[in-house]
Amino acid sequence: DQQVKQNSPSLSVQEGRISILNCDYTNSMFDYFLWYKKYPAEGPTFLISISSIKDKNEDGRFTVFLNKSAKHLSLHIVPSQPGDSAVYFCAASHTNTGNQFYFGTGTSLTVIP
Amino acid sequence: KAGVTQTPRYLIKTRGQQVTLSCSPISGHRSVSWYQQTPGQGLQFLFEYFSETQRNKGNFPGRFSGRQFSNSRSEMNVSTLELGDSALYLCASSLTGISSGNTIYFGEGSWLTVV
Repeated sequence: DQQVKQNSPSLSVQEGRISILNCDYTNSMFDYFLWYKKYPAEGPTFLISISSIKDKNEDGRFTVFLNKSAKHLSLHIVPSQPGDSAVYFCAASHTNTGNQFYFGTGTSLTVIP
Repeated sequence: KAGVTQTPRYLIKTRGQQVTLSCSPISGHRSVSWYQQTPGQGLQFLFEYFSETQRNKGNFPGRFSGRQFSNSRSEMNVSTLELGDSALYLCASSLTGISSGNTIYFGEGSWLTVV
């Protein structure tokens, strides 16, 4: 049962434009969300997080939006750079399950110079 | 500050054998969790240890086991290997045992190939 879904396996964006990566979840108990970036042959690298008490969190070029009623979150990257080309995973958890995170299957982002 | 260290990075095993993977968390981190990544499947949670106790376990057969030592280092073991166990095994460490507001940091992973 995939509780976190990333329905777009891949996305291509021109350099300098906005990249929008989407993530949906089914469990209304989830209260904390993370985004990771992963290059081939490396472990995932933490990007940004958001708690369910917020609807937006920004860190430099990265902004995460959370829509609790729609059980949807998105990661915006502005402006996109070629070095952003990687696989992006969203992850969700709820307080009752310690550090168990549920991950989506990832979206491969390609930023075209 | 050193990151999460996993050993070995690459290994090849034969069906029926067993394997042990090791993880050293970031200094001061007490929680260690393990994930399996296979193509197209994202990261699947295996188990989490906090202060030497297993707190959560994912939906994997009993062939998958783990432990944590007093210095927070962790090992996971897979017995009676099957071809489907071929995957990237990722270890993640975090400071606290509560996910909310917490970040988990991953190692580079151990690539296991079962032939």
